[in-house]
Amino acid sequence: QKEVEQDPGPLSVPEGAIVSLNCTYSNSAFQYFMWYRQYSRKGPELLMYTYSSGNKEDGRFTAQVDKSSKYISLFIRDSQPSDSATYLCAMSARGMNRDDKIIFGKGTRLHILP
Amino acid sequence: DGGITQSPKYLFRKEGQNVTLSCEQNLNHDAMYWYRQDPGQGLRLIYYSQIVNDFQKGDIAEGYSVSREKKESFPLTVTSAQKNPTAFYLCASREGRSNYGYTFGSGTRLTVV
Repeated sequence: QKEVEQDPGPLSVPEGAIVSLNCTYSNSAFQYFMWYRQYSRKGPELLMYTYSSGNKEDGRFTAQVDKSSKYISLFIRDSQPSDSATYLCAMSARGMNRDDKIIFGKGTRLHILP
Repeated sequence: DGGITQSPKYLFRKEGQNVTLSCEQNLNHDAMYWYRQDPGQGLRLIYYSQIVNDFQKGDIAEGYSVSREKKESFPLTVTSAQKNPTAFYLCASREGRSNYGYTFGSGTRLTVV
């Protein structure tokens, strides 16, 4: 079983719809959870981050972590064509540890249709 | 503005040549990383460095080499021993005490011709 699983898509939704992106993971030591957005031929940019379980909201974006199910989600409300990108989930076990590495999902390609 | 600069944006290499990809950051970050990104493969860690003059192999280090002589710079050399070097290469950095995430450069697309 891979440490982090993410459906590669592509996921196509109409403009204005609510988008749900998800990742599952197997390592119960993960505590720090991140979502990156990557536009074509660009580097990923950090979109949201959360610690442990719970929800975090930032504008149209909501990140949700369910540690009991080892499942994280990113919701995008009122989706826009400019949200079309690849979204990568990422997580780490001990953020303060110098040797700790971040594990990335493979990314989900999202297309918002005008 | 602080950030990470990768150069060149596009690079072409002939079979049997070594090439060096540049990565410079002015964020005063301690740790720096090199990833390779292929379609359907996600990000794969090549090398990382937590401090100057020290670096560790990642998951796919074979055929690559790095140096960290300055805090700001972490160049990656793709050697002729790398059998399939065509890929998108990403450099990233992280502040030593940060719990979250990396700052990524804009990437270098390497193509073998």
